[in-house]
Amino acid sequence: DAGVIQSPRHEVTEMGQEVTLRCKPISGHNSLFWYRQTMMRGLELLIYFNNNVPIDDSGMPEDRFSAKMPNASFSTLKIQPSEPRDSAVYFCASSLGLSGTTQYFGPGTRLTVL
Amino acid sequence: GENVEQHPSTLSVQEGDSAVIKCTYSDSASNYFPWYKQELGKGPQLIIDIRSNVGEKKDQRIAVTLNKTAKHFSLHITETQPEDSAVYFCAESNFGNEKLTFGTGTRLTIIP
Repeated sequence: DAGVIQSPRHEVTEMGQEVTLRCKPISGHNSLFWYRQTMMRGLELLIYFNNNVPIDDSGMPEDRFSAKMPNASFSTLKIQPSEPRDSAVYFCASSLGLSGTTQYFGPGTRLTVL
Repeated sequence: GENVEQHPSTLSVQEGDSAVIKCTYSDSASNYFPWYKQELGKGPQLIIDIRSNVGEKKDQRIAVTLNKTAKHFSLHITETQPEDSAVYFCAESNFGNEKLTFGTGTRLTIIP
C-alpha cells in the first residue's frame, strides 16, 4: 500500500502566483481531507470530500482557495493568487468515509510564498 | 464550535520514565478520541484511539484514558524510548461526523 501521495513535496513561489497542490488518496477510501499546519494556528481542516463531493468547506480561508476532486483517486488544492501568509505545510488525508475511522495522512507539501 | 485544549505544549522526560499528555474537550456529543504522532518532516499518524463507551485502552507501552463526565482524556506512554520523541496531537469528533478537531500539540522530547 503506497499510502496517501502528495505532490510536490516542496513548493517555493512568489506572491501573486498560482499554486496547485495534488493528492492521491489510498485506494478504496471514500473521504479526502485537506489540512493546513502552521505554528500559529496548528492543524486546521480546510475542506473535506466524501465520494468526490465537497461536504464541508467552512475552513477554506477565502476565495483565493479552491479544491476539486474530479474522481476517486485525485484531488487538487489551488491558491490563486498566493500570498506570503499562505506559507504553511498542507496535508492531505483519506479515510474509509465513516465517522470514527482512521484518517491516513500524506507526507505534506511545504509551501513557501515569497 | 468544538474546542480541544491540550497540555502541556512541551514535555521533556528522561528515557525510561513515563509521559502523560492531557486533553479537554467541550462538546458533550463527542464520542471518538484519537491520538496522532507526528515525526519531523512527516504527516501525523494514528497511534491509538478510544470511543466513548470505553474508559481505557492499552496497546503495549501506550494507553489512553477517557473521563466523559469531566470531558477529558489522556495519553500515557510508559518506559519511554528515544523514538517516542515527536509531536503528539489529540483529536475528537462526534458520532456521524467525520471531521476531527485537533488539539494544539505537545512536543515530547525523550532525554537519553
